[in-house]
Formats: sequence, structure tokens, C-alpha cells
Amino acid sequence: EDQVTQSPEALRLQEGESSSLNCSYTVSGLRGLFWYRQDPGKGPEFLFTLYSAGEEKEKERLKATLTKKESFLHITAPKPEDSATYLCAVRDTGGFKTIFGAGTRLFVKA
Amino acid sequence: DAGVIQSPRHEVTEMGQEVTLRCKPISGHDYLFWYRQTMMRGLELLIYFNNNVPIDDSGMPEDRFSAKMPNASFSTLKIQPSEPRDSAVYFCASSLRGRYNSPLHFGNGTRLTVT
Repeated sequence: EDQVTQSPEALRLQEGESSSLNCSYTVSGLRGLFWYRQDPGKGPEFLFTLYSAGEEKEKERLKATLTKKESFLHITAPKPEDSATYLCAVRDTGGFKTIFGAGTRLFVKA
Repeated sequence: DAGVIQSPRHEVTEMGQEVTLRCKPISGHDYLFWYRQTMMRGLELLIYFNNNVPIDDSGMPEDRFSAKMPNASFSTLKIQPSEPRDSAVYFCASSLRGRYNSPLHFGNGTRLTVT
């Protein structure tokens, strides 16, 4: 059965303090790994899709990387507006079913 | 693009009552998903449809839950009878099959409170 584990559960950073969020996954065959951002009272908002080990994607202060067993979301010089819950999800080769991890709540203090 | 539209945004009901949640997917999307989000269990997939046909309903918790998609632009999730443990935020999402790695696009959810 597909599994997604995210760590840490919560992360508190000072503005400008770079860090990384981890997503470990177990799937029979990976079709895609997704990162989403969720703000309070809103639905998850798509950030990145990664397809194969070694792939990297960047958007502003965020960079996502992928290995055969885990993905990292690197946040460089974060700002308070980066505060949100970051969710990781996987889709296996068996179909379109998409399984989410529990998320990492990020707090960035000015 | 209006995005995925869910209604109502908030629903408060008493135990034993029927609850119907509604979703309008993004036009042209051929996959539709229903998720439930709680603090304890995170985002759980309940059911998903392809071209209005249910493909996987293994996440539907019990017979009290049912979902339908009568056409490409509308889906409902019904709970009858509702129980306090059903309290959660219910999200609808849609996607386009064109590429297997197409992301899900979520609505802003319905917050359900069963008292």
C-alpha cells in the first residue's frame, strides 16, 4: 500500500533562515510526486510535480528535489508570507489515485 | 477559469440528519475526487470518478456515505444519517487525464459540523 510520511510535523523559522522539509514515500511504482501549499481555510494549491529521481523544480524561494525514496522541499531565505502547511502527495503507476502525507506546518517569524 | 466550486462553505447539522455537499469541477476536467481532512487523519481520499464513473470508492468510510456524478459538471457527496465523527472539512478536486502526472485542483472545501 502506498505511504507518504512528512517531517517535521511543524517547523518554526526566523525570516531569512533557510531549511528543508522532508517527504518519504513508498509506492509500487512512482508516476508522480506532488507538492502543495495549503493556507488556513483554503484548499491545497499546487506547487510542483516531480517524475523521476534526480529531478529538481524551482519557484521563487522554493526548490523541490526527488530521490528514489524521498523528496525535499528547500526553502531559501523564507519570508512570513511563506507560512503555510506544505503537503506532499504521490501517485503510483496503477492509476490516478493520489495519496497525501500529513503535512508540515511552517511558521516564519519576521 | 473559475476553479473548482464547492457549496456550501459551512454546514452545521444535527446528528441523524442528511447532509449533501456539492461540487462543480473545472470545465474540461475528466477526473473528480472527494477528500476529507481532519487534524487526526489528514487528507483522506474517499472516492474518485473518471468521466462520471466511480473508479475507486475504497476510501468511503461506510454505507452512510454515497457519491454521485450525474454529469461532467456536477457531483454530490451525501451522508445519511450524519454522525458527530463525520465532522471535518470535505474537499473536492478535479484533474485532466491528458497527462498522467496532471495535478489536482482543489476547491476551498465545505466545513461540516455535526452536533
